[in-house]
Amino acid sequence: AQSVTQLGSHVSVSEGALVLLRCNYSSSVPPYLFWYVQYPNQGLQLLLKYTTGATLVKGINGFEAEFKKSETSFHLTKPSAHMSDAAEYFCAVSEGGNDYKLSFGAGTTVTVRA
Amino acid sequence: NAGVTQTPKFRILKIGQSMTLQCTQDMNHNYMYWYRQDPGMGLKLIYYSVGAGITDKGEVPNGYNVSRSTTEDFPLRLELAAPSQTSVYFCASRDRAGEAIQYFGAGTRLSVL
Repeated sequence: AQSVTQLGSHVSVSEGALVLLRCNYSSSVPPYLFWYVQYPNQGLQLLLKYTTGATLVKGINGFEAEFKKSETSFHLTKPSAHMSDAAEYFCAVSEGGNDYKLSFGAGTTVTVRA
Repeated sequence: NAGVTQTPKFRILKIGQSMTLQCTQDMNHNYMYWYRQDPGMGLKLIYYSVGAGITDKGEVPNGYNVSRSTTEDFPLRLELAAPSQTSVYFCASRDRAGEAIQYFGAGTRLSVL
C-alpha cells in the first residue's frame, strides 16, 4: 500500500521567489508520481508526472520535480513565483497494476504575495 | 473538447434524501473514478471502474453506490444522505494505455443539511 505526505499545508511566497513544495511517499513497488494543481472552484489539472526514465521532469507553467528514490521524495519547484501560481497543489502516487488507482497527499495551498 | 463532465455543480440535500451525481466522459476511456475531497484531507477514492459492467470499491465506499452500463457514464448514487457526505466530489477518467494520467471533471459541491 502506498501513502503520500506533503509537508506544509500552507506555503506563502513573494512574487519572484522560489516555490518549493515537498512530497514524500511510501510504496512497495516503483511508483508513478504526479503533481496536480487545483485553482479555486475548479477540478484538478496535471502539472507533471514521473513514470520512468529521467528523474528530473518538467511540467507546465515552469514547474519541475525530481524523483529521488533513495529519499522517496518527489518535491515540486518553480524558480520564480507568479501571482497566477496561487492554488492548491496535490502530490499523488500510483503503484500501477491494472487499475492505476491514485493515492493523494493532503494538499498544499500556495499564496503569492505581491 | 468536453473531457469529463459532472452535473450538477452544486446541490443541497436534506438528511435522508437520495440523489445521483452524474459523470460523463467523451474520451472513450476505460477507467473511471469517483473521489471525494474534504478540507485538509486530499482526495479519497470512493469507487472505480475498469470498464463497462465492472466496478470496485475504493477507500471510502460506505454510503455510496455506482454503476457502469456504458463506457461514457459512471453515476454515483447516494441513497440516504448524511451530513458526513458533505463534500466536493470529483469524477476522473483515464485511458487503458498511456501513463496512468487521470483527467478530472470540475466537481460537484454537495451539502447535506
